[in-house]
Amino acid sequence: GAGVSQSPSNKVTEKGKDVELRCDPISGHTALYWYRQRLGQGLEFLIYFQGNSAPDKSGLPSDRFSAERTGESVSTLTIQRTQQEDSAVYLCASSIRTDTQYFGPGTRLTVL
Amino acid sequence: AQSVTQPDIHITVSEGASLELRCNYSYGATPYLFWYVQSPGQGLQLLLKYFSGDTLVQGIKGFEAEFKRSQSSFNLRKPSVHWSDAAEYFCAGRSGGGADGLTFGKGTHLIIQP
Repeated sequence: GAGVSQSPSNKVTEKGKDVELRCDPISGHTALYWYRQRLGQGLEFLIYFQGNSAPDKSGLPSDRFSAERTGESVSTLTIQRTQQEDSAVYLCASSIRTDTQYFGPGTRLTVL
Repeated sequence: AQSVTQPDIHITVSEGASLELRCNYSYGATPYLFWYVQSPGQGLQLLLKYFSGDTLVQGIKGFEAEFKRSQSSFNLRKPSVHWSDAAEYFCAGRSGGGADGLTFGKGTHLIIQP
């Protein structure tokens, strides 16, 4: 079946603007994760959703970052008042409960 | 604090030579461990994983990894590399049975010399 998809693939925005990034998980995957990958760095965990449970937001770097997920479907990561340090690739992953995570191709965000 | 360390930022290997990429972990209990590969412009692809049991794990593309509790290591190996193996390799871990996000190492960039 189809893998994890993310949109847009690239996003260029101006400092101070809000952006929304979308993730479509693999059908049937109950868990969904967001990560950030800065240039030349490993991935940083941001937030995790499991079914209808309250999300684990422990990795969000500031209150400008938020994410939503309706049931076991699409998730949206929102960054408000973007800063240049938010420039990164944002990766989404999904899994069946807590099993192996499968990653999407990512959204490259550039804040000018 | 939980951590995953990849000591080598860059590794250069000749095509056909053997490969070993190092990964060390720091967890209170035995973690679940993973190796992912990221090719330019591509997403992360899972190579192999260790949850429990046999400490030598076989993966895709001819890769294997060995879990060594005494050394807190999970090194990735391949007997003979191909030019197509050039990529960024990430070791990752999470608490066994837990639902937390993965903790990633900073990655090792593999360069293949002809």
